[in-house]
Amino acid sequence: NAGVTQTPKFQVLKTGQSMTLQCAQDMNHNSMYWYRQDPGMGLRLIYYSASEGTTDKGEVPNGYNVSRLNKREFSLRLESAAPSQTSVYFCASSVPGNTIYFGEGSWLTVV
Amino acid sequence: LAKTTQPISMDSYEGQEVNITCSHNNIATNDYITWYQQFPSQGPRFIIQGYKTKVTNEVASLFIPADRKSSTLSLPRVSLSDTAVYYCLVGVLDTVRRALTFGSGTRLQVQP
Repeated sequence: NAGVTQTPKFQVLKTGQSMTLQCAQDMNHNSMYWYRQDPGMGLRLIYYSASEGTTDKGEVPNGYNVSRLNKREFSLRLESAAPSQTSVYFCASSVPGNTIYFGEGSWLTVV
Repeated sequence: LAKTTQPISMDSYEGQEVNITCSHNNIATNDYITWYQQFPSQGPRFIIQGYKTKVTNEVASLFIPADRKSSTLSLPRVSLSDTAVYYCLVGVLDTVRRALTFGSGTRLQVQP
């Protein structure tokens, strides 16, 4: 089982460039999430989607946009990347309120 | 959202039992307590979940006192491979947002 799959795994961007992180899950979960984790820190929720067609802001949504393309896919877009967005990004999915399954992470560096 | 407090780090030796305590003084009646484990360069993974008293699975035990204002994750006979960050989460099973607050976690270092 693939679980939660994220792409790309590594990316280097220049300040001001845009990019989209892709995420897909094959567990038929309604809820999907995007977190960021800075070095030595815990995870902070960027956006989440409780079900297909809905998205909501988390703790740190500024500078990001999301799209819940369908039940399987939830993408995160950086419109104009900034060095402060250098981080590891994790996508996750769950049955609402239940065990959260995480992807392997996407390492993003903005120079 | 129920705020959680955990020790920043802990050290142990192989074969010892490790207990990590999480404080959650403002836990709500419907909140469950969930622990996750994160290895370097990986996403967190579920360890155990409970509501009250004691829960045990093949990996760990979770002890929750009657007032539920704290909980203790117990790892029996740790090995080097248990070196990881452990997160305590408090939230409601039927509410997406309240289950999603990760603190900084407890960094467990197991020595040979």
